[in-house]
Parts: sequence; structure tokens; C-alpha cells
Amino acid sequence: DAGITQSPRHKVTETGTPVTLRCHQTENHRYMYWYRQDPGHGLRLIHYSYGVKDTDKGEVSDGYSVSRSKTEDFLLTLESATSSQTSVYFCAITRSSSSYEQYFGPGTRLTVT
Amino acid sequence: GQQLNQSPQSMFIQEGEDVSMNCTSSSIFNTWLWYKQDPGEGPVLLIALYKAGELTSNGRLTAQFGITRKDSFLNISASIPSDVGIYFCAGQLTSGTYKYIFGTGTRLKVLA
Repeated sequence: DAGITQSPRHKVTETGTPVTLRCHQTENHRYMYWYRQDPGHGLRLIHYSYGVKDTDKGEVSDGYSVSRSKTEDFLLTLESATSSQTSVYFCAITRSSSSYEQYFGPGTRLTVT
Repeated sequence: GQQLNQSPQSMFIQEGEDVSMNCTSSSIFNTWLWYKQDPGEGPVLLIALYKAGELTSNGRLTAQFGITRKDSFLNISASIPSDVGIYFCAGQLTSGTYKYIFGTGTRLKVLA
């Protein structure tokens, strides 16, 4: 258990509405990530953070933004949700700069209708 | 973009059999991670590999970091019903940015 929680765990929203997903960690890890998981695609990186206010894009960042104002929280925002963003979203952390082990949260299932 | 090819995509095996799966890429990786995911849950880290040629075990699981650094293998010995799930590999890119790419998974089904 890497002390990662995600909220909400499930959400249904309508096309065009903004959505924010929260990832919270309790162990002061520097690196945090947002992935989406879709059938046939595995896990794909959306954005990641290497420190407070330090973020970088992943391979599927279009339509998503992130913020990290505190070490423990990493927020993923869909400014205007689309049906193609229906997915399961996972937050992850890398434990420390000397370990490359990555640990995942429980996931958020998002449905955009 | 960089891709990880994971095979097989799925497999049915009898309880007690050994299982092998692998990930290959045209890219070189610094680290390989292997995960198991159960339905409705997040992936759980099984094994981490850091050096070419490294062989690491975790109970009945053994993973190897390929000597070319472009592939990795996971073996499960004497499978049991709770081994059912999806197994993913992940490779850490060599850019030093702590970014990873994932294989598309191997779905394992164990017949009792």
C-alpha cells in the first residue's frame, strides 16, 4: 500500500461539463502520474509531475490539464468532457528518486454521456 | 511512438501448469516492472528489474531483464486459481524522466 487515494471512485457526467479528479498521497512522494486505461490500449500516460508546480505531458494529454499545488495532491481536469474520455483513470506514484518502482491508486471510473 | 509488445494476449492454462509471458520492444529500457491487475482494482507491482540479465523471483513468480535491454520475461510456476488476472509489463524510458510505457497485458485464466 503506497498511501494513494483517488476521488471520486465513480462518476457519470455529461458531454461538455468540466470534471476534476483528485489523487491524494500521504507519503510525500515526489513523482505522481495520471494514466487512463482502455481496452486494447493498456495504460497510457496523460500527465505526470516531478514536484510541486512541475508537470509534463504524456502521450495522451490533449483535452486534459493538471495541477499540483501541494506535494500530496495531483489534480486531473477535463475542461469539457467528451465521450472519448470515458475511461478508467489511475493515479500512480514513484516512491523516491532512488527507486523506479511505481505504485497505483485504486482508479476512478469516468463515464461521459 | 514507443511501444511494448506483450504476448500472449490471453491464455488458458490448467491449475499446476507453468506460465510464461514476455514483452518486447525496439527501444532500450532502464527498468522493467511487472504488474498484476484484478477486475475493478489498480495494478499491483509484482517485480522490478534494474539490470540487463537480472533474474528476480517473488514466490512462484520469476522475471528476467533481457540482455539486450529490449525485452523482459515473466514466469509463473505451478499456477493456482488466484493467479487469474491481467499481467502488465512496463518499461522505464531511458530519458531519465521517470516515465514509463506499458504493454497491453496478458489475460491469464486458470482452469481448476
